Amino acid sequence: DGGITQSPKYLFRKEGQNVTLSCEQNLNHDAMYWYRQDPGQGLRLIYYSQIVNDFQKGDIAEGYSVSREKKESFPLTVTSAQKNPTAFYLCASSIGGNEKLFFGSGTQLSVL
Amino acid sequence: DQQVKQNSPSLSVQEGRISILNCDYTNSMFDYFLWYKKYPAEGPTFLISISSIKDKNEDGRFTVFLNKSAKHLSLHIVPSQPGDSAVYFCAASLPGNQFYFGTGTSLTVIP
Repeated sequence: DGGITQSPKYLFRKEGQNVTLSCEQNLNHDAMYWYRQDPGQGLRLIYYSQIVNDFQKGDIAEGYSVSREKKESFPLTVTSAQKNPTAFYLCASSIGGNEKLFFGSGTQLSVL
Repeated sequence: DQQVKQNSPSLSVQEGRISILNCDYTNSMFDYFLWYKKYPAEGPTFLISISSIKDKNEDGRFTVFLNKSAKHLSLHIVPSQPGDSAVYFCAASLPGNQFYFGTGTSLTVIP
């Protein structure tokens, strides 16, 4: 079955620690995205990548970093510079047009 | 600045009746509009979309209406079922693959 796999489902971060959220897709999609959802809020764009080895900042990129070394993979690192990291993180992909986004099942990040 | 707005945080409807979820937008350059359904702790799933060149798209119990002059779209669910209870997100996209989401409306369908 094709889809987007996010891992882990739950992640805990200690003070001053960097953590990396995994996102893998086997849909052969060109574009990949990271969104953050906070309670009662919509989805806010962190980073997106339209092709391998290229990515752009979204609306809330500060404190986050990404890489896109392979078409299938778009990991997100939440750095210690992100002071309020507790949120539900969603990875998404699209075939390259703007008609539809496909989402993974999400990672809940909490601070210890 | 929120380009896509859902002004109703919640909506309750009796089973079998119509659910109408509303969405407003500000950017006239959006060329696709989408609706997603989301359960807690899960990723959103795609429901239905509409191109900016159309004013209506229907898929089974779900119909989306687009009013470009008012910069408004709505999702109609008829008849509503208890399994429809979820948070519904409205989204709009620009050429260049940028997607913008509203804050969501929590729909409760009462049996």
